[in-house]
Amino acid sequence: NAGVTQTPKFQVLKTGQSMTLQCAQDMNHNSMYWYRQDPGMGLRLIYYSASEGTTDKGEVPNGYNVSRLNKREFSLRLESAAPSQTSVYFCAGGIGNTIYFGEGSWLTVV
Amino acid sequence: AQSVTQPDIHITVSEGASLELRCNYSYGATPYLFWYVQSPGQGLQLLLKYFSGDTLVQGIKGFEAEFKRSQSSFNLRKPSVHWSDAAEYFCAVGGTGGGADGLTFGKGTHLIIQP
Repeated sequence: NAGVTQTPKFQVLKTGQSMTLQCAQDMNHNSMYWYRQDPGMGLRLIYYSASEGTTDKGEVPNGYNVSRLNKREFSLRLESAAPSQTSVYFCAGGIGNTIYFGEGSWLTVV
Repeated sequence: AQSVTQPDIHITVSEGASLELRCNYSYGATPYLFWYVQSPGQGLQLLLKYFSGDTLVQGIKGFEAEFKRSQSSFNLRKPSVHWSDAAEYFCAVGGTGGGADGLTFGKGTHLIIQP
């Protein structure tokens, strides 16, 4: 998982609060992704960025926004957190179809 | 739409025994196929991938997988498992049309190793 760094690793939020998950990669990947992982659901794509300056919705985008700040950085923002957004969030970088994941960010919304 | 099915939620195997984890995919064209492993509290590590060519692919940690187009399957195998193989395993499928729109994952198979 070296090369994709996520912060913070753990966060507890109150319902309605906002926060941004940060992600940076140093592997010169063109594409970057945000997935969420929930028990029994596998990984589901929230948003992705195929290249610098572009972002697109994935399977479960509602309640999230993203910013591809530059080639290295791709942030995920929760504007008004809800308990349903309690999850583990993974950022990833990719070239072509091969994707490499960060270590994950554990988010709890109470 | 593409999809991945991992029929087994949990599998228990004795240490030293052989392992096969099943994966079936649905995709309208030639797929790219992947297996990832996730240890508790960790991110996902790429085990192996199939893009084209030889349908039997070798990966890290002694794992291999075989692509069978006729069965829409990409099963993961290991001849002899070790206690350190206990983890969650995910199969994933991606498209061949440029590929930047991410992978679709199965729900995972939890592997338990008995001593």
